[in-house]
Amino acid sequence: SQTIHQWPATLVQPVGSPLSLECTVEGTSNPNLYWYRQAAGRGLQLLFYSVGIGQISSEVPQNLSASRPQDRQFILSSKKLLLSDSGFYLCAWSRDLNEQYFGPGTRLTVT
Amino acid sequence: AQSVTQPDIHITVSEGASLELRCNYSYGATPYLFWYVQSPGQGLQLLLKYFSGDTLVQGIKGFEAEFKRSQSSFNLRKPSVHWSDAAEYFCAVGATGGGNKLTFGTGTQLKVEL
Repeated sequence: SQTIHQWPATLVQPVGSPLSLECTVEGTSNPNLYWYRQAAGRGLQLLFYSVGIGQISSEVPQNLSASRPQDRQFILSSKKLLLSDSGFYLCAWSRDLNEQYFGPGTRLTVT
Repeated sequence: AQSVTQPDIHITVSEGASLELRCNYSYGATPYLFWYVQSPGQGLQLLLKYFSGDTLVQGIKGFEAEFKRSQSSFNLRKPSVHWSDAAEYFCAVGATGGGNKLTFGTGTQLKVEL
């Protein structure tokens, strides 16, 4: 069966510090991978998606970036965090017909 | 571009009562439709999905949803709500190609009174 992992689970970072969130998927190959952000009381905002190694599409211009160094690894990064980057970050994967499966999420607080 | 509207931000029902959560979508072709549930601090769990065929789909935890093309709706229902159903529910519509992205509604927060 497939599983998806995210770490860390929680993170408190000061403004201006760098960020690296990691997502890995097990039990499948060549998945589509997605990063979402969920702000308090709001829906899900798609940040990036990837259909293959090294292929990243950005949905919203911002100070975040994503990379996919391996088939089942997806990384969300920032060089300098802003207060507005606080939120709940979710990684998801899919293979066919849009059905996406989500990881447990990372709670990021920028102070 | 596709869009999803969940008109109810909050809904409160008594345990044992029936539930219907509304979802309206906008999409030019036959949509792929989904309902997800999220407990506080957790990821999203897929409840059910509609791709084609029978317009009444059954999901996990006793939930069902009905696709009505004429009304552009995909409402979620449960005959008898349990206290453990308290959570946030998201409707989503999918598009083929281009990474198979989903567009989510803003969610409906369900509270269950004992």
